[in-house]
Amino acid sequence: DVKVTQSSRYLVKRTGEKVFLECVQDMDHENMFWYRQDPGLGLRLIYFSYDVKMKEKGDIPEGYSVSREKKERFSLILESASTNQTSMYLCASSFEGLGNTEAFFGQGTRLTVV
Amino acid sequence: KNEVEQSPQNLTAQEGEFITINCSYSVGISALHWLQQHPGGGIVSLFMLSSGKKKHGRLIATINIQEKHSSLHITASHPRDSAVYICAVRINNDMRFGAGTRLTVKP
Repeated sequence: DVKVTQSSRYLVKRTGEKVFLECVQDMDHENMFWYRQDPGLGLRLIYFSYDVKMKEKGDIPEGYSVSREKKERFSLILESASTNQTSMYLCASSFEGLGNTEAFFGQGTRLTVV
Repeated sequence: KNEVEQSPQNLTAQEGEFITINCSYSVGISALHWLQQHPGGGIVSLFMLSSGKKKHGRLIATINIQEKHSSLHITASHPRDSAVYICAVRINNDMRFGAGTRLTVKP
């Protein structure tokens, strides 16, 4: 029973391309999050959203934007992909805010920018 | 210095061994999470705790608030336990993640 779905498992994009990463959850959660995961650094928060059309910057928002037009969908946008954005991207959702309740994660998207 | 430190970074065990993974944090927290990341990348929440101890099957998580330390134990380890185990803490309205412990259990 899949709860958080990311649109792609693997993506290869060229430098300068505009990249869309999509995330959908079916649990009617208010809160959704985008993280990137790099070796030795742990997960770092890029953006989160606590309601439709609401967004908040996380720790590393530079080079990214997000869109939350519907409650179930949270999109991460790389406006102009660069090689330093090569990473694993993880989407998560939760009923309450960061860490208050259990978070459910997607399967991850491994993005390579060449 | 990372606010959340895990040890060891890598751990190899034989099937059946008792496993301990440690997590230390440097500031006051309101909750601590243990997560499991499978080789494919997906993350599953194992525990959320703010005091004491929790048990689920062969997994046990403990936390000592005074010492700012938590441990995740796996009893009778099995190759399917091979994964990256991540500790995360809730600080104010934010989450901080450890870098993870990569566990390999050999048959």
